[in-house]
Amino acid sequence: AQSVAQPEDQVNVAEGNPLTVKCTYSVSGNPYLFWYVQYPNRGLQFLLKYITGDNLVKGSYGFEAEFNKSQTSFHLKKPSALVSDSALYFCAVRANTGGFKTIFGAGTRLFVKA
Amino acid sequence: DAGVIQSPRHEVTEMGQEVTLRCKPISGHDYLFWYRQTMMRGLELLIYFNNNVPIDDSGMPEDRFSAKMPNASFSTLKIQPSEPRDSAVYFCASSFGQANVLTFGAGSRLTVL
Repeated sequence: AQSVAQPEDQVNVAEGNPLTVKCTYSVSGNPYLFWYVQYPNRGLQFLLKYITGDNLVKGSYGFEAEFNKSQTSFHLKKPSALVSDSALYFCAVRANTGGFKTIFGAGTRLFVKA
Repeated sequence: DAGVIQSPRHEVTEMGQEVTLRCKPISGHDYLFWYRQTMMRGLELLIYFNNNVPIDDSGMPEDRFSAKMPNASFSTLKIQPSEPRDSAVYFCASSFGQANVLTFGAGSRLTVL
């Protein structure tokens, strides 16, 4: 069965500092991995994805994520946080065989302080 | 394209009433997903369709919930009868192909009194 874990309910960081939002996953076979962001009263918006290839994936708004197969992790990073990055971030996994449902983690609230 | 369109945006109803939520996916997308978001349970996958056919409904909470996709441009999620614990935000999302991203609608906020 697929599962996604986001171990931190909230991450606090000062503006200008680097940020990391953690994600680990469990899935049979090779995974498709995604990060989405949700602003208040809005639907989720796509940030970036890993399908295959380079382990470092770059996405929207300066975010990037590193796929680590041995640690089954896909942490979201940004070198310099902005106050406007404050939002709810979701990691998601989709198996590439036997059904293609996308499962989301519980979400991590990012708070960037000015 | 106008994106994934959901209606109604807000619904307040009384326990026991029937609720129907609607979704229009992006034209050309072949996957459609229904999710429910609550503070306690996070984002739960209820059911998903591929080419209008239900593939996995294992997330549907109970028989009170049903979903249909009569054609490629329309899906409904029905709750009958509704209960207060069904109060949540229900999202519809669509995608094209197996590896592609989901595009979410703005959600339908359901409150059952």
